[in-house]
Amino acid sequence: DTGVSQDPRHKITKRGQNVTFRCDPISEHNRLYWYRQTLGQGPEFLTYFQNEAQLEKSRLLSDRFSAERPKGSFSTLEIQRTEQGDSAMYLCASSLGQGVPGELFFGEGSRLTVL
Amino acid sequence: QKEVEQNSGPLSVPEGAIASLNCTYSDRVSQSFFWYRQYSGKSPELIMSIYSNGDKEDGRFTAQLNKASQYVSLLIRDSQPSDSATYLCAVYLGDSSYKLIFGSGTRLLVRP
Repeated sequence: DTGVSQDPRHKITKRGQNVTFRCDPISEHNRLYWYRQTLGQGPEFLTYFQNEAQLEKSRLLSDRFSAERPKGSFSTLEIQRTEQGDSAMYLCASSLGQGVPGELFFGEGSRLTVL
Repeated sequence: QKEVEQNSGPLSVPEGAIASLNCTYSDRVSQSFFWYRQYSGKSPELIMSIYSNGDKEDGRFTAQLNKASQYVSLLIRDSQPSDSATYLCAVYLGDSSYKLIFGSGTRLLVRP
């Protein structure tokens, strides 16, 4: 399968713990996005990478969140000192392009539950 | 005002009917518009993209864009129970940003 893959698919953690999610985009895609989705809402933008450069980050994103994309391939999203409000589905998406952003292809998501 | 607005629904239609889903957006210079389908517990799946005013048809789906009215819609002809899902409208804003902004989605229920 050459789609976007995410790991782990489910994570249950206690409040205050750190968690890390990994995303492997479609191999030739240079753009990578992280979104967060809660029940009844659409995906909320978190951050965007073009190759290895993090070019955009949501103003609403807490300093507890950090993302990396070393070498422009896979990406990790880390949440430090988790809070119950961090419970959500974390979606990774990738796309290919140089100009106007195009279609995003999503992974199956990583569901986080903070107890 | 939200950047992308959709009626949350649910929109209930009988099998075989036309389902009409609507979306408005706030930024006049937006250039790219997308419809995603999301089944419960699954990730969004791209259905249609539209970039210029008018209609774009793909099988049973037609996307309609009116940039002057800042309005984009999705028509689903011959609706099937398998079309029951949440439909998300997504827009790239025209502020040199690369982020795709999603509406909260409209839940569609197709009754057999």
